[in-house]
Amino acid sequence: NAGVMQNPRHLVRRRGQEARLRCSPMKGHSHVYWYRQLPEEGLKFMVYLQKENIIDESGMPKERFSAEFPKEGPSILRIQQVVRGDSAAYFCASSPLDVAGGKNIQYFGAGTRLSVL
Amino acid sequence: KNQVEQSPQSLIILEGKNCTLQCNYTVSPFSNLRWYKQDTGRGPVSLTIMTFSENTKSNGRYTATLDADTKQSSLHITASQLSDSASYICVVKATGGGNKLTFGTGTQLKVEL
Repeated sequence: NAGVMQNPRHLVRRRGQEARLRCSPMKGHSHVYWYRQLPEEGLKFMVYLQKENIIDESGMPKERFSAEFPKEGPSILRIQQVVRGDSAAYFCASSPLDVAGGKNIQYFGAGTRLSVL
Repeated sequence: KNQVEQSPQSLIILEGKNCTLQCNYTVSPFSNLRWYKQDTGRGPVSLTIMTFSENTKSNGRYTATLDADTKQSSLHITASQLSDSASYICVVKATGGGNKLTFGTGTQLKVEL
C-alpha cells in the first residue's frame, strides 16, 4: 500500500509562472489536506478537500492559489503568477473517513519544495 | 487565536540519553493532541495521538503525556538513538472545524555519539 505520493519533489519557477503541485492520497483515503511550511516555521493549514469538494479553504490566500481534488486523479494545488514569497515546502496529507473522536490520522507525503527565482 | 508553543527550540543530546520535549497549547475547544516526527526533507510521521481522557500514550521508546487542565503535553524519548535526530512537532486538533490541525514550530533534536 503506497503512501501519500507528491510530485514533483522539487519545482523551480520564475516569477510570474504557474506552479502545479500534485498529490495522490493513500489508497482508500477520501480526505486530502494541503499545508505550507516556510523555513524555520511550523506547517500552516491551507485547504481541506474531499472528492470534488472543498471543505475548508480558510488557510488559502485569496488570490493566485487554488486547489482541486477531482473524482479521478490526484489532488492539485495550483499557484498562479508565483512570487518569491511563495517559495516554501508544500505538504499534502490524506486521511480515511473521519472516525469517532476525530482521531483520524493524517498521513503526510514527502512534500514539494518550490523555489521561485 | 489557537496556538501551539514548543520548547526547547533545539536540543542536542548524547546517544543513549533520555530527553523530554514540551508543548503548551491554547487551542479550544480541545479534541486531541498529536506528536509527529519529521526527518529532514521528509513529511511528518505520526507518533502518538491523545484525547482529553488520555493522559499518557507510548509508542516504543516514545512516551507522550497530556495534562488537559493546564493545556500541556510532553514527549519523552528514552535511550535515544542517532535515528531519533529529527524535528518533533506537537499538533492540536480542535473539535468542529473539520479536520484542521494547528502545528507547533517543532523541537529540533540532534543525537550525537
